[in-house]
Amino acid sequence: DAGVTQSPTHLIKTRGQQVTLRCSPKSGHDTVSWYQQALGQGPQFIFQYYEEEERQRGNFPDRFSGHQFPNYSSELNVNALLLGDSALYLCASSFTGTLDEQYFGPGTRLTVT
Amino acid sequence: AQSVTQPDIHITVSEGASLELRCNYSYGATPYLFWYVQSPGQGLQLLLKYFSGDTLVQGIKGFEAEFKRSQSSFNLRKPSVHWSDAAEYFCAVGAGNYGGSQGNLIFGKGTKLSVKP
Repeated sequence: DAGVTQSPTHLIKTRGQQVTLRCSPKSGHDTVSWYQQALGQGPQFIFQYYEEEERQRGNFPDRFSGHQFPNYSSELNVNALLLGDSALYLCASSFTGTLDEQYFGPGTRLTVT
Repeated sequence: AQSVTQPDIHITVSEGASLELRCNYSYGATPYLFWYVQSPGQGLQLLLKYFSGDTLVQGIKGFEAEFKRSQSSFNLRKPSVHWSDAAEYFCAVGAGNYGGSQGNLIFGKGTKLSVKP
């Protein structure tokens, strides 16, 4: 049973560019959450998708957007990249309606130069 | 505002010694509390969680944590540390409108654990 997978593993972009990160949830999960983890910090919640809609959002600007597909996989898009967007982006999946915890993927390391 | 504080940025213990990592939270309702571990370059792995009931919870790898409502604390303990426990440890509280385990997690800044041979 594959856990949460994310692609790519690493990514280098230039300031002002746009980036798309991808996440496949654990089998049986229907909810995907995205977190940003800056160096030396704990993860910060970006947003959560359920039934192909954003249902919760953290304190992140509109440059951060996402999508969930019918197969429950998800994308995180960041426009107009800033140096401060350099971080590890973590995807977590869960099954809504249970008390089960969120399962995290290995993350995508984004470097903005 | 909801928050999690981990007072210790870095802790070093000798292999075989006991360990306690501190976590304090601020949350208006009954909290859903978690401890996660992160090895270098890896994602987060759940060690244990508290939702309700017995305030002493057992987790994987020999870890346990005790919920103390009066102190707003959820400290992580292990009686005998192994070299493989060296990692970063994060305490988190579940928030949001969809149940504490499903909502957004609010994390502390983490405690890095080093283990001396």
